Amino acid sequence: AQSVTQLDSQVPVFEEAPVELRCNYSSSVSVYLFWYVQYPNQGLQLLLKYLSGSTLVKGINGFEAEFNKSQTSFHLRKPSVHISDTAEYFCAVRKGSNDYKLSFGAGTTVTVRA
Amino acid sequence: SQTIHQWPATLVQPVGSPLSLECTVEGTSNPNLYWYRQAAGRGLQLLFYSVGIGQISSEVPQNLSASRPQDRQFILSSKKLLLSDSGFYLCAWSVSGEEKLFFGSGTQLSVL
Repeated sequence: AQSVTQLDSQVPVFEEAPVELRCNYSSSVSVYLFWYVQYPNQGLQLLLKYLSGSTLVKGINGFEAEFNKSQTSFHLRKPSVHISDTAEYFCAVRKGSNDYKLSFGAGTTVTVRA
Repeated sequence: SQTIHQWPATLVQPVGSPLSLECTVEGTSNPNLYWYRQAAGRGLQLLFYSVGIGQISSEVPQNLSASRPQDRQFILSSKKLLLSDSGFYLCAWSVSGEEKLFFGSGTQLSVL
């Protein structure tokens, strides 16, 4: 079984500063990796995903994430955040193409301040 | 376009009372359907998923059950709620064979 660890539960950051949200996973097989975002009073939506190929993936709203197989990590980054990036971010793992189940991390709450 | 409806948005129920949360998907056929729970301070936990009518897989033993009476309808139920059933419940769907999940707006359940 796979598990997902998001190392930071709360990340306060000033507007226009960079942010990195850490995610590590454990799995004995190849996985698909995802970041979902939940804005205040909204449902979850997909931010970006890694299935194969280039280890650096770009998502919506200027976010990107890098898959590091040796470190089993999939950290999310944005070079300059906006107030509107205030949200909860979830890292998720799925075990290959024949598995329907996503395992989610506990979430990281990002609060952007002016 | 596809949409997912989940209701109610909030629910306050006494311990021991029954529960029924409903989720419907429009604009697609034969979706995979999921129920997740988000407890305070914890991640999303997969409760049930379904790949077709009448096909339900349970991920964790619990006080809840799920049913899929129609292709695009997924119901989460309990005969007697426990305090520990409190949480934020999310319905989601995906196209069979694809990895992207689409989530509903969630139901905040408080069991008192």
